[in-house]
Amino acid sequence: DAGVIQSPRHEVTEMGQEVTLRCKPISGHNSLFWYRQTMMRGLELLIYFNNNVPIDDSGMPEDRFSAKMPNASFSTLKIQPSEPRDSAVYFCASTRGRQGNNSPLHFGNGTRLTVT
Amino acid sequence: AQSVTQLGSHVSVSEGALVLLRCNYSSSVPPYLFWYVQYPNQGLQLLLKYTSAATLVKGINGFEAEFKKSETSFHLTKPSAHMSDAAEYFCAVTPYNTDKLIFGTGTRLQVFP
Repeated sequence: DAGVIQSPRHEVTEMGQEVTLRCKPISGHNSLFWYRQTMMRGLELLIYFNNNVPIDDSGMPEDRFSAKMPNASFSTLKIQPSEPRDSAVYFCASTRGRQGNNSPLHFGNGTRLTVT
Repeated sequence: AQSVTQLGSHVSVSEGALVLLRCNYSSSVPPYLFWYVQYPNQGLQLLLKYTSAATLVKGINGFEAEFKKSETSFHLTKPSAHMSDAAEYFCAVTPYNTDKLIFGTGTRLQVFP
């Protein structure tokens, strides 16, 4: 079990550029979550998918953010155009079934995004 | 909206001392409750979870938490702190009948020799 894999680990980009964050969930997990972590706001749920379908995107801050899950083994979070206030650590997590079941949420190691 | 409140953003203890990290939830229906730990430059790891099977929940690394409905609390404890326990700890809730996991603001635990 390789765990949840996120890439890149670090991304530094200039304001206005497009940023794409990638996530490979654990094989067999059917729910995938994108979180953002900052000092000011802590951990925020941005969006989550179940069986590749977006279930709740109410946490996506604005239209500059979009997320896709074209298949069970891959998801992307895109920011276009990026702004300095988007600087944060972005985590992807996956789980099998609902949170209340025995399967916990497994987190990747995150992507640290810096927008200058 | 249902949420969790963690009292104290920083807690410092001596090695060997009791660890107590506080968490209160807001819910009229007991939700699913969790404690996660985050070590520097890593993602979060599950410490333990409450899913109504037992009010005292034992987790990894000697941690445990007790669900108290009368106090709407789910405090995390460990009898004897170890240097390796230094990390950030998050209480989290999954409101009833949803798949969301909502985190508290976190408590950073420092352990002094």
